[in-house]
Amino acid sequence: EPEVTQTPSHQVTQMGQEVILRCVPISNHLYFYWYRQILGQKVEFLVSFYNNEISEKSEIFDDQFSVERPDGSNFTLKIRSTKLEDSAMYFCASSEYIGGWETQYFGPGTRLLVL
Amino acid sequence: AQKVTQAQTEISVVEKEDVTLDCVYETRDTTYYLFWYKQPPSGELVFLIRRNSFDEQNEISGRYSWNFQKSTSSFNFTITASQVVDSAVYFCALSRGTDKLIFGTGTRLQVFP
Repeated sequence: EPEVTQTPSHQVTQMGQEVILRCVPISNHLYFYWYRQILGQKVEFLVSFYNNEISEKSEIFDDQFSVERPDGSNFTLKIRSTKLEDSAMYFCASSEYIGGWETQYFGPGTRLLVL
Repeated sequence: AQKVTQAQTEISVVEKEDVTLDCVYETRDTTYYLFWYKQPPSGELVFLIRRNSFDEQNEISGRYSWNFQKSTSSFNFTITASQVVDSAVYFCALSRGTDKLIFGTGTRLQVFP
C-alpha cells in the first residue's frame, strides 16, 4: 500500500540553524500539507501546497518557513533560523482530490528538537 | 469559524470494556468532512474514517463504530470490547474538502489488561 515517507525521523539542531525536513508524498497525490504537533498538544496546520504554489498558510507559517517541491517526488519544509519553540513533531500529508472527497494521509513525522 | 472539541482529555478502561470517544464540531459550511485519526505511542497519525456532511449513516468496521448526528454536531467513536492495542491518542478532525484539517485536542485512551 502506498504511503507517505519522511526523513529524517529525528533531528536535533542548534537554535539559529537552518533545517530542511523532507517528505515523499504518495505518487498520484496532488495536494500536500505540513502540520506540526508540539509535544502533548494538538496537531496544527502549517501550509498547503498545490500546483507548485502555496494554497493556504497559517499564522504559524511566518517568513522563517518555506516549502518547495524541488522535483517530481519530494516536498520539503525549510525552517531558516530555528527557535526553541520550533521543537515539535512535523507531519507531512498528501491527498488526491476526487470530486470534493479528500482524505489526507500522513507520514510518520519528523521529531525536531531545537537546543 | 471551524472548531472541533474533544472534551475528554483522557479515558482509562479495562480490556473488553466498550468505550465512546466524543467529538463535537462547529462549522457554518453546509458541505464538510469529518475524520478520526489514531496516534499510537510510536507517534504516527493513522487514518480511521472519513464522513461527509450529507451522509449521516452510521458506520461499523469490526470493533469500531461511528455515530454521526448533524442535529447535535457530533461525530462520536465507539470501540467495542477494547484491547490493549487500542491504547493511543485519538483525534477528531474537520475540513471543507481540499482544505486544511482542523484537529481537536485529542483523547488519550488507555486500555489496561
